[in-house]
Amino acid sequence: DSGVTQTPKHLITATGQRVTLRCSPRSGDLSVYWYQQSLDQGLQFLIQYYNGEERAKGNILERFSAQQFPDLHSELNLSSLELGDSALYFCASSGGAYNSPLHFGNGTRLTVT
Amino acid sequence: AQSVTQLDSQVPVFEEAPVELRCNYSSSVSVYLFWYVQYPNQGLQLLLKYLSGSTLVKGINGFEAEFNKSQTSFHLRKPSVHISDTAEYFCAVSDQTGANNLFFGTGTRLTVIP
Repeated sequence: DSGVTQTPKHLITATGQRVTLRCSPRSGDLSVYWYQQSLDQGLQFLIQYYNGEERAKGNILERFSAQQFPDLHSELNLSSLELGDSALYFCASSGGAYNSPLHFGNGTRLTVT
Repeated sequence: AQSVTQLDSQVPVFEEAPVELRCNYSSSVSVYLFWYVQYPNQGLQLLLKYLSGSTLVKGINGFEAEFNKSQTSFHLRKPSVHISDTAEYFCAVSDQTGANNLFFGTGTRLTVIP
């Protein structure tokens, strides 16, 4: 058990809809990262937050947004969903130091129909 | 920017045989290197990491990797695999700045054959 909790485990929704994915980091970890894993794109870094502030941004679409709350949990919001957004979304957390290993949750599988 | 190339998408190997999973990286700055394993329906688990020092890094489950700066490689090895090693293996790189975000290769599916 990595200590990172993601909910829900599975999500099925229709095109055009909006969903929110939630992540609780390991106790004490200040950084949260979001990754998208799909068959054609592999594991893509989306965005990182550190102690409530955005720290780095990767291949995140404008239709997607994220935030980290004062209790350090994070939410990833996906809107105007398209079929191609179907993927496994992972959250990871780390202590925040520049060489801290990332600890991954088990992911949320999003299916857009 | 950094990138990672995992040369083999699938590697079948017989139980108790040795295995090597190849990883090459590209970066204009110094990097940290990682290997993660993903078992079915699970998240990624850190196998080992290279930050500095000895170029031979030992990880969990009997795996080791060697950092070769001149060849920009970080190949993963295990002298004798078990059925339980069947999984997807990802090589990743992060640059030595403050962001700490990882860039992953496309993964290698290791299948151990009884």
